[in-house]
Amino acid sequence: GQNIDQPTEMTATEGAIVQINCTYQTSGFNGLFWYQQHAGEAPTFLSYNVLDGLEEKGRFSSFLSRSKGYSYLLLKELQMKDSASYLCAVRDGGATNKLIFGTGTLLAVQP
Amino acid sequence: DSGVTQTPKHLITATGQRVTLRCSPRSGDLSVYWYQQSLDQGLQFLIQYYNGEERAKGNILERFSAQQFPDLHSELNLSSLELGDSALYFCASWGGDTDTQYFGPGTRLTVL
Repeated sequence: GQNIDQPTEMTATEGAIVQINCTYQTSGFNGLFWYQQHAGEAPTFLSYNVLDGLEEKGRFSSFLSRSKGYSYLLLKELQMKDSASYLCAVRDGGATNKLIFGTGTLLAVQP
Repeated sequence: DSGVTQTPKHLITATGQRVTLRCSPRSGDLSVYWYQQSLDQGLQFLIQYYNGEERAKGNILERFSAQQFPDLHSELNLSSLELGDSALYFCASWGGDTDTQYFGPGTRLTVL
């Protein structure tokens, strides 16, 4: 079966750092994506990890451990505009490039 | 702007009706994916097309069907609509040049 788990909600303070975790158990694996989604809008690409380790991109970093079926998204210097849902998605094995999404983590950034 | 377009943006209809949602992928992308996102739910994969052919199927109901045309645009047809079909429907395309999936702005379907 396919199972991707994320916390449902998180709250953090403006200027702080927050880590959003994602664990997965899927029949195929060809990489892990993180997307940001504001309410009612399209998901927008944040990061993609296919090898173990940390990928840094400005205020956002993403980590992957394939042996543990674990990833996290790290957001630094939080801003109010970072309040959104963060979606973890596993890229299915094979040629389809289908993404299997978790239910998302709703992050609220408070002043 | 991802380059993926979807129309219409909003659709309000009644139970039992049939609607068609339209999507055009980014220029140069051959794959189209359809997802459904119900209130407080994650994105559920429905179906994928690649260069006009069905490539993968997810939890798509028999009342729903899709196709991809020679110009690569795709249509998702939803029939015998029920209240529970109310959701955001997203189309995405796969950027072979960037190895990333790009999402369109979505169509919000409301079934009354």
